Parts: sequence; structure tokens; C-alpha cells
Amino acid sequence: EVQLVESGGGLVQPGRSLRLSCAASGFIFDDYVIHWVRQAPGKGLEWVSGISWNGGTVGYADSVKGRFTISRDNAKNSLHLQMNSLRPEDTALYYCAKVNDYGDYIDFWGQGTLVTVSS
Amino acid sequence: EIVMTQSPAILSVSPGERITLSCRASQSVSSNLAWYQQKPGLAPRLLIHGASTRATGIPARFSGGGSGTEFTLTISSLQSEDFAVYYCQQYDRWPLTFGGGTKAEIK
Repeated sequence: EVQLVESGGGLVQPGRSLRLSCAASGFIFDDYVIHWVRQAPGKGLEWVSGISWNGGTVGYADSVKGRFTISRDNAKNSLHLQMNSLRPEDTALYYCAKVNDYGDYIDFWGQGTLVTVSS
Repeated sequence: EIVMTQSPAILSVSPGERITLSCRASQSVSSNLAWYQQKPGLAPRLLIHGASTRATGIPARFSGGGSGTEFTLTISSLQSEDFAVYYCQQYDRWPLTFGGGTKAEIK
């Protein structure tokens, strides 16, 4: 059974940092592109970042470019999102999501970890 | 960045009705379009990929259509469990982008 379990969320002050993690199981982790997608309270879905199977290709939304860094540890079946210089508008539920076998659409989502940026 | 626009924002419908949701891309995404369903407190669930291919386990009452810039999601007879928010998303290129969602609510 495919599982993606996010962790690391919490309450943080503006300007501080937080590191999210996603633990994967039930599939061959290093075969797949993985994304972070977030959802602000009561709002829609926003893609944050994605990483290829070997970490050689990464992408970021303009809203987080230069502040967030995505990485993966295939030996530990884990994905990370280092979030620096956090802003109130980064407050959201952060989902880890895997793509399908051909590397395009998202076919499975974790349950998310909540990040709240507030003083 | 490809902008995805969904309409309407809210659909008030009765169980058993047929509904059609629309999604428009600001430039062609070929058939690289997915639809997701999200219920309160839950993660999104994949319904359709490739614009018209149902994901595993998705009932036949869900159907997708379109290509290029215009897409639709049709639910032939709305069941109680179908009241939810529906998002379209293009995966033709990064950044992946989502529509703003259509909420199907009980009339």
C-alpha cells in the first residue's frame, strides 16, 4: 500500500525557518518524481516545488523561489522541504504527492502537515 | 506559467442531476490535464488523467473531455458522496498549475 506521511509542520514566527519531511513507503521511491503542494485555509491548491527521481531536476513556484529548497534522500525513502524566511502567506497545509509511473500527473497524496506562520 | 480557470465556482445541484464543470487553460496543454476531487478534511483524490481517462476505481458516472485549452468534467448522475470540490490541473509543464476549483453543493 502506497503511503506518504508528512511531518515537521507547526507554528513559527515570520522570518524563521522550518523543515518539512515526507516519509514514503509501499513503492519504489527513487523511481518517482515527487511534489510539494500546499493549500491555504479555505483556499485552493498551489504547487510549491517538485524534484526528479535523482534530484537532478528541481522546480519552484515563484512565490517560494529563493526561500524554499526541496531535496530527497532515496536511501531513506524521504523527501524534505527546507523553508526559510517564512511569511504569513506561507500558512497552509503542505501535501507531499507522488506522480504516476510515467512521471507526469499526481496520482497519490499524503494527508498533509500544517504550517502556521504568525507572531 | 499556464493559468487554469474553472467555472462555475459553485454549482448548487440536487442528487441525481447531471452536471458539467469547465476548465480552461491560458495556452494549450494538449491532453495533459487531470481532475481531482477533494472532500472536507481530506487530501485530493485523482479522478481523471489524460483529460479523459478515469483513474483506477473511479465510477463510470465520471467522465472527462476536451483537449488543448478547453476541458470538461461531467458527472452523469450526482450521488450524495459526490458533493465536494473539484480541481483541474495541467501537468504539461512546470510549474504545475491548478484551477481555482468548483464546489458542488446540495441545492
